[in-house]
Amino acid sequence: GALVYQYPRRTICKSGTSMRMECQAVGFQATSVAWYRQSPQKTFELIALSTVNSAIKYEQNFTQEKFPISHPNLSFSSMTVLNAYLEDRGLYLCGARGQANTEVFFGKGTRLTVV
Amino acid sequence: QQNVQQSPESLIVPEGARTSLNCTFSDSASQYFWWYRQHSGKAPKALMSIFSNGEKEEGRFTIHLNKASLHFSLHIRDSQPSDSALYLCAVRGYSAGNKLTFGIGTRVLVRP
Repeated sequence: GALVYQYPRRTICKSGTSMRMECQAVGFQATSVAWYRQSPQKTFELIALSTVNSAIKYEQNFTQEKFPISHPNLSFSSMTVLNAYLEDRGLYLCGARGQANTEVFFGKGTRLTVV
Repeated sequence: QQNVQQSPESLIVPEGARTSLNCTFSDSASQYFWWYRQHSGKAPKALMSIFSNGEKEEGRFTIHLNKASLHFSLHIRDSQPSDSALYLCAVRGYSAGNKLTFGIGTRVLVRP
């Protein structure tokens, strides 16, 4: 079956530092990977969408300078939160899809705490 | 820009009752409609999807889609405590490429 693994599951970083999170697709080819942030205030904000052979598209309020994403192959993606601050806290979810219009499979997320 | 809204924000239903969740969207050209369910501490998982107007039933779950009114819904018959979760609706617009826009979610608690 199709699975998506995310790591680390939880991380704590000091304000102003950066942290990297990873997403691994198993059992299917992740032609499209979306990164979301789920927070108590506004759940499921789309950060950016990465599709093979296309440029990564960032949503309003999210930038490549703050959330650089790498999607080097059909099974792996990573995202870094640069200069993390309190407002960056939340559960970061990776959703990956194979063929267009099929189900998006999610990982369990990386919970970021900023202190 | 697709705007997806869900109602109610939360719901408490007795075991055995019918649960109804609503989702509205703003892009009239939207093509694909999903309900995802997220149990506490778990990954969101696709529950059901519908691509054309009408109704689709799978076991105790039924989706209704009315594109003209920009609305779709999820109904759970004979609700069980195991149905307690966060329910998220998701919509893909015609011009959105692979982008799936989610609603804020409805938290459902089924009381035994």
